[in-house]
Amino acid sequence: GAGVSQSPRYKVAKRGQDVALRCDPISGHVSLFWYQQALGQGPEFLTYFQNEAQLDKSGLPSDRFFAERPEGSVSTLKIQRTQQEDSAVYLCASSPKREETQYFGPGTRLLVL
Amino acid sequence: GQNIDQPTEMTATEGAIVQINCTYQTSGFNGLFWYQQHAGEAPTFLSYNVLDGLEEKGRFSSFLSRSKGYSYLLLKELQMKDSASYLCAVTRWGYKLSFGAGTTVTVRA
Repeated sequence: GAGVSQSPRYKVAKRGQDVALRCDPISGHVSLFWYQQALGQGPEFLTYFQNEAQLDKSGLPSDRFFAERPEGSVSTLKIQRTQQEDSAVYLCASSPKREETQYFGPGTRLLVL
Repeated sequence: GQNIDQPTEMTATEGAIVQINCTYQTSGFNGLFWYQQHAGEAPTFLSYNVLDGLEEKGRFSSFLSRSKGYSYLLLKELQMKDSASYLCAVTRWGYKLSFGAGTTVTVRA
């Protein structure tokens, strides 16, 4: 079956631009997660949704980062006024329920110039 | 906070065995995952340990000792396609994954 998909796969932004990253989770998965992975590092937790409710956003680095999942399926991570330090791979993961295995998408590689 | 440590790099020969250790100190611990990540690709699930002991799945085995804050991933009969980064991750409060920096395994012919 189809896995987690993310778009775009690559994004180049000029410093100060806003970007929107999309995640399509596995159909029927209740839980959705966003992670940020810097080069040579493990993923870092950003935020967690259960259906449309954002239950944990403690990992979002600043108020420039915003995530939503309005209908409990597709999610969008938005970064306003991008900075060079935002350059990273943004990974989305979904799981059938909260405590089950998380399945990752291929990520969006963001480069801020 | 949490602290998850694993070696940065390991090299082994095709057909050999490699053991990747992971130590952790964290609050809210529920279990420990191992993921494999090829360069430029998504992490893919390998194993999940909740209870102490060894879980075996084909060529891959994973061990957990909760009292020692220690896990290892054992890769047997290494193949060239096993060259990848291996990520140790603890799950906290039932949902939040905290990852180590990853161990890059290089398999030589």
